[in-house]
Amino acid sequence: NAGVTQTPKFQVLKTGQSMTLQCAQDMNHEYMSWYRQDPGMGLRLIHYSVGAGITDQGEVPNGYNVSRSTTEDFPLRLLSAAPSQTSVYFCASNPGGGWGTQYFGPGTRLLVL
Amino acid sequence: QKEVEQDPGPLSVPEGAIVSLNCTYSNSAFQYFMWYRQYSRKGPELLMYTYSSGNKEDGRFTAQVDKSSKYISLFIRDSQPSDSATYLCAMSAAREGAQKLVFGQGTRLTINP
Repeated sequence: NAGVTQTPKFQVLKTGQSMTLQCAQDMNHEYMSWYRQDPGMGLRLIHYSVGAGITDQGEVPNGYNVSRSTTEDFPLRLLSAAPSQTSVYFCASNPGGGWGTQYFGPGTRLLVL
Repeated sequence: QKEVEQDPGPLSVPEGAIVSLNCTYSNSAFQYFMWYRQYSRKGPELLMYTYSSGNKEDGRFTAQVDKSSKYISLFIRDSQPSDSATYLCAMSAAREGAQKLVFGQGTRLTINP
């Protein structure tokens, strides 16, 4: 199993540009999440999904969109990038059913100029 | 005030020392308590988790939860240079399970040979 994979590893954007961060998992996990990690802030939940077709907002959802058309994929879209979105983004998955180990991807480093 | 507070360190100790890492929290609904380890430029990986109060031991690692004080701890015995990493505490309410984690800021730990 590849686990949780994320692409790209690193991206530079200009303010106002849009892009999609890709996340895929091959563990057949129902639950997937997106977090951002900023210095001094820990990880903060952006959006999460409890299954295909079902998504919900986390702590910091503004400026981001998600969709979940398949169990495997959970892309994160930045609609109009802002310098405040410079961060490291982590995708995670877990089996669900109330509790399960959260598996994190390797992260995408995003710099918005 | 953040829901979860964690001293960011950095913390530097000699090899073989006992390390104590701590978090405090304010949300009494938290029932699941986790410790993640994150190596530089990697995604977090689950180290230990406990449900409700009590202790849990796994090799050189011991996790403690004191819900009455809203305080959790991770102890590392016989610390090794390979334990050098950032340690993040994370918590969630029972109804939300592992997909909606609230993280502390993380403590950067260095074990000196």
